[in-house]
Amino acid sequence: ELKVEQNPLFLSMQEGKNYTIYCNYSTTSDRLYWYRQDPGKSLESLFVLLSNGAVKQEGRLMASLDTKARLSTLHITAAVHDLSATYFCAVGLSGTYKYIFGTGTRLKVLA
Amino acid sequence: NAGVTQTPKFRVLKTGQSMTLLCAQDMNHEYMYWYRQDPGMGLRLIHYSVGEGTTAKGEVPDGYNVSRLKKQNFLLGLESAAPSQTSVYFCASRLDRGTENYGYTFGSGTRLTVV
Repeated sequence: ELKVEQNPLFLSMQEGKNYTIYCNYSTTSDRLYWYRQDPGKSLESLFVLLSNGAVKQEGRLMASLDTKARLSTLHITAAVHDLSATYFCAVGLSGTYKYIFGTGTRLKVLA
Repeated sequence: NAGVTQTPKFRVLKTGQSMTLLCAQDMNHEYMYWYRQDPGMGLRLIHYSVGEGTTAKGEVPDGYNVSRLKKQNFLLGLESAAPSQTSVYFCASRLDRGTENYGYTFGSGTRLTVV
């Protein structure tokens, strides 16, 4: 059974600081996604990571994937208030069409 | 605008009532999914479909049924609603396998309360 754990669950940080959100998963996967959700809204796709060592960057966010360690990270550089949201990773179970989501990390960037 | 449309957006049910949530997409996506979102638990997969006429169980299928009679529609049914089914329900769709560069497209959600 595929289990996906994110940490931290809550993150409060000052503007301008850097931080990393971690996504660990328990079994083999060949694809991992990161999503953003604003309060009361739907989910927006941020990154798709399909291979070991994959790194994607968009603005102040950078995502990476280490399939051997079964770990993905979402790094935030010089945080700004607009990044306040909940971030989810979703892991595809190899050989299936199922995607299992992590519990989410609620990020609050303080001005 | 193209995308995933969920109806209704809000609903209050009494225990034991039934209802159907509709998800419609106009992007010709093969795969469609129903998730529920509860505080502190992220999104949990209820059922999914890999094409017209096919459905499969996810992580938490009990108490729900689904149908995919047309490619563009994926229906989620609650036959006898229970308070434990109070949640926000999201539908999502994506292109078929071989196009994993694309993530899901999510609907705006249905907030269901069972009293």
